[in-house]
Amino acid sequence: DTEVTQTPKHLVMGMTNKKSLKCEQHMGHRAMYWYKQKAKKPPELMFVYSYEKLSINESVPSRFSPECPNSSLLNLHLHALQPEDSALYLCASSQAPARNQPQHFGDGTRLSIL
Amino acid sequence: GESVGLHLPTLSVQEGDNSIINCAYSNSASDYFIWYKQESGKGPQFIIDIRSNMDKRQGQRVTVLLNKTVKHLSLQIAATQPGDSAVYFCAENTGTASKLTFGTGTRLQVTL
Repeated sequence: DTEVTQTPKHLVMGMTNKKSLKCEQHMGHRAMYWYKQKAKKPPELMFVYSYEKLSINESVPSRFSPECPNSSLLNLHLHALQPEDSALYLCASSQAPARNQPQHFGDGTRLSIL
Repeated sequence: GESVGLHLPTLSVQEGDNSIINCAYSNSASDYFIWYKQESGKGPQFIIDIRSNMDKRQGQRVTVLLNKTVKHLSLQIAATQPGDSAVYFCAENTGTASKLTFGTGTRLQVTL
């Protein structure tokens, strides 16, 4: 069982909806990440939070809005998404936002945009 | 949309045999590497990591080899089992702290 918990596991939404993806870890990790993964492709980094502050935004469209309320929680707010945003959204965490730190992943939220 | 005809490289191995999954990386400045296993419907699962000051690291039934001269990484799985069937990704730290870049992945199929 993964120690990074993501909810919901599946989400179907229309292009005008607003929804949020949630991620939680209780390992005391101080870096958290959002990745997007399309079918048969590797995960692609979207955002990195380091000590609850956004440190990397990989030029992600503003219809994706991350939030880190505290060191254990990470949210991804979704608004006005496009069909091409349908993908598996993965959350990960690592002990520290440094090199040489393994990232541990949740099982993701599978998002479908109608 | 999705690329038509996109296929993951596939390695087919008989149960009990050893598996070797290869990964080439391009950035000579990369100094940390991780292998992940991703089963269908799950997130990537950490298997083993290696720093660039090492050329070999062993875990339980797995060994990672790093050849910095040719920028090549391999994952060896001993006595492959049906539960090893999954997609395997290598990932490297390419410079920016916290930023991992994943390889394209290899599907391992274990036949009985």
